[in-house]
Amino acid sequence: DAGVIQSPRHEVTEMGQEVTLRCKPISGHNSLFWYRQTMMRGLELLIYFNNNVPIDDSGMPEDRFSAKMPNASFSTLKIQPSEPRDSAVYFCASSPSLPDTQYFGPGTRLTVL
Amino acid sequence: AQTVTQSQPEMSVQEAETVTLSCTYDTSESDYYLFWYKQPPSRQMILVIRQEAYKQQNATENRFSVNFQKAAKSFSLKISDSQLGDAAMYFCAYRKRGNKLVFGAGTILRVKS
Repeated sequence: DAGVIQSPRHEVTEMGQEVTLRCKPISGHNSLFWYRQTMMRGLELLIYFNNNVPIDDSGMPEDRFSAKMPNASFSTLKIQPSEPRDSAVYFCASSPSLPDTQYFGPGTRLTVL
Repeated sequence: AQTVTQSQPEMSVQEAETVTLSCTYDTSESDYYLFWYKQPPSRQMILVIRQEAYKQQNATENRFSVNFQKAAKSFSLKISDSQLGDAAMYFCAYRKRGNKLVFGAGTILRVKS
């Protein structure tokens, strides 16, 4: 069975550029989560969706960050404009429903120069 | 607010021996879930074990077991017969029913051959 798929696995960009991270959740899962991992702050939840609807985006750091889930099999996290402090590993996770176990993708390592 | 504390930044264990990783959490809720995730150098977040707070029986998964002390708000992970492949960062996580995951800072586990 395919797990959560994230692309790209690595992204290097320059400050001010737009970055789009992509996620395909496990088929049949209704909830999707975006996390960010840094040395300083550990793992933080940015936003999560249930049935394609954003439920809680209180973890999104600022307006430069936006996330969409146009359908049950695809989500994007966009940073515009990107800044060096956005450098981190971004994880997408999905679960069959909100209370269930979350399964993580392999992550996208973002470096903003 | 819910918090998760892992007081051991790093632990070492000899191959084939047993090691216990500590985790405490703070909550006023009675219904919640606790998890241990493993993050090897590949960065993938892998679910190790999960515990429902309403269950008194400690969860076990092969060589992995937990000691769940609800009154003390303690959730330790025991790894028996440690293997080289167990070397990773281990994260304890708390989730209130239907809500987001809150992670601890992690414990690096080193396995010596």
